[in-house]
Amino acid sequence: NAGVTQTPKFRVLKTGQSMTLLCAQDMNHEYMYWYRQDPGMGLRLIHYSVGEGTTAKGEVPDGYNVSRLKKQNFLLGLESAAPSQTSVYFCASSPNPGGGLNTGELFFGEGSRLTVL
Amino acid sequence: GNSVTQMEGPVTLSEEAFLTINCTYTATGYPSLFWYVQYPGEGLQLLLKATKADDKGSNKGFEATYRKETTSFHLEKGSVQVSDSAVYFCASISGGYQKVTFGTGTKLQVIP
Repeated sequence: NAGVTQTPKFRVLKTGQSMTLLCAQDMNHEYMYWYRQDPGMGLRLIHYSVGEGTTAKGEVPDGYNVSRLKKQNFLLGLESAAPSQTSVYFCASSPNPGGGLNTGELFFGEGSRLTVL
Repeated sequence: GNSVTQMEGPVTLSEEAFLTINCTYTATGYPSLFWYVQYPGEGLQLLLKATKADDKGSNKGFEATYRKETTSFHLEKGSVQVSDSAVYFCASISGGYQKVTFGTGTKLQVIP
């Protein structure tokens, strides 16, 4: 049972470098999310997607881009990494409950720890 | 938008002690409320939820009651175990498309 898989799990970048985090889910979920987790701040939503080919901004989108070319994958890109982007990044997915309902049940990956020097 | 505030940690308890982690919410209306748990080295997973006032969510010996009078959703467990050591997040629905807002997290350490 793979669930939500994130790669890579660890990465060290220098300021100004670019990189892409990959999230893959095998549960056929419609919705996918990228969060960042920082000490004392909990999880904050970066971007999310409600279906293949769609993306939307979350609470802290600046400095990140995303793409959802396939339903099962959600990519998070950093074009020019900054030390402020040092964080643990979590991908999550969720089914669409339908009927405008919100169950609030998200399924998370194990996280990707990124350090920007 | 909706938000949650939870007590700061870390919380250190001896095995079999009683646990309370406080959480209060601010919202328009009465959003669904949740507790998520993050075990070391893992992603978050849903622990329990309540969808309306006076609902009690429960799972694995943990309980939380949705109280609109005090806008609270405190997490409780009568007897904690070492295996309960984790970070606990209070959360609420913050909009459509299953968007969830998380509190800052409370780290619990249970010692034998």
